[in-house]
Amino acid sequence: KAGVTQTPRYLIKTRGQQVTLSCSPISGHRSVSWYQQTPGQGLQFLFEYFSETQRNKGNFPGRFSGRQFSNSRSEMNVSTLELGDSALYLCASSPGQGAETQYFGPGTRLLVL
Amino acid sequence: GENVEQHPSTLSVQEGDSAVIKCTYSDSASNYFPWYKQELGKRPQLIIDIRSNVGEKKDQRIAVTLNKTAKHFSLHITETQPEDSAVYFCAARGSNYKLTFGKGTLLTVNP
Repeated sequence: KAGVTQTPRYLIKTRGQQVTLSCSPISGHRSVSWYQQTPGQGLQFLFEYFSETQRNKGNFPGRFSGRQFSNSRSEMNVSTLELGDSALYLCASSPGQGAETQYFGPGTRLLVL
Repeated sequence: GENVEQHPSTLSVQEGDSAVIKCTYSDSASNYFPWYKQELGKRPQLIIDIRSNVGEKKDQRIAVTLNKTAKHFSLHITETQPEDSAVYFCAARGSNYKLTFGKGTLLTVNP
């Protein structure tokens, strides 16, 4: 099976802009989780989607949002970008919900100037 | 919420030696503990996981042990090789069904 894919791989934005990241899970996987990875904070959970519904949410401001489509693909949106949003954004898919065995995508590296 | 502490933050060993990375967690209801390896510029990859009804699991040179009473779990790598050099993350799934990660251990295996 093809692995988890993410697009784009790299993004440069300026403060105040918004950005949309995309994640395609492994075929048959219905859960997609998103994480922010930074050198100082490690991997931090953003949210999980299962069957097009947000099932769980981390401690991030409302500027971070997401959605999942009927084919399980997921998008993450960050509005009003801040310098501190610069990070590697990883998505992970799993067959079921609830943070079971997760398989990560390559990530989208976002740089906010 | 769940809190996961990981030690050490950096670990340097000679090729052939063993490496041990330790994690503690706070949520006594945590029931799933995966370990991920992330090479430079690559995605995290699951290398081994353990559930709360098991005390130890082994896969070739890698083993994980879990002590539920003390709320800690450890990764053991034997006969280390240069290709084991990477950042290793532990994680715990708490009662809120979220995975909380440790901050990572940079393992360097010197030839």
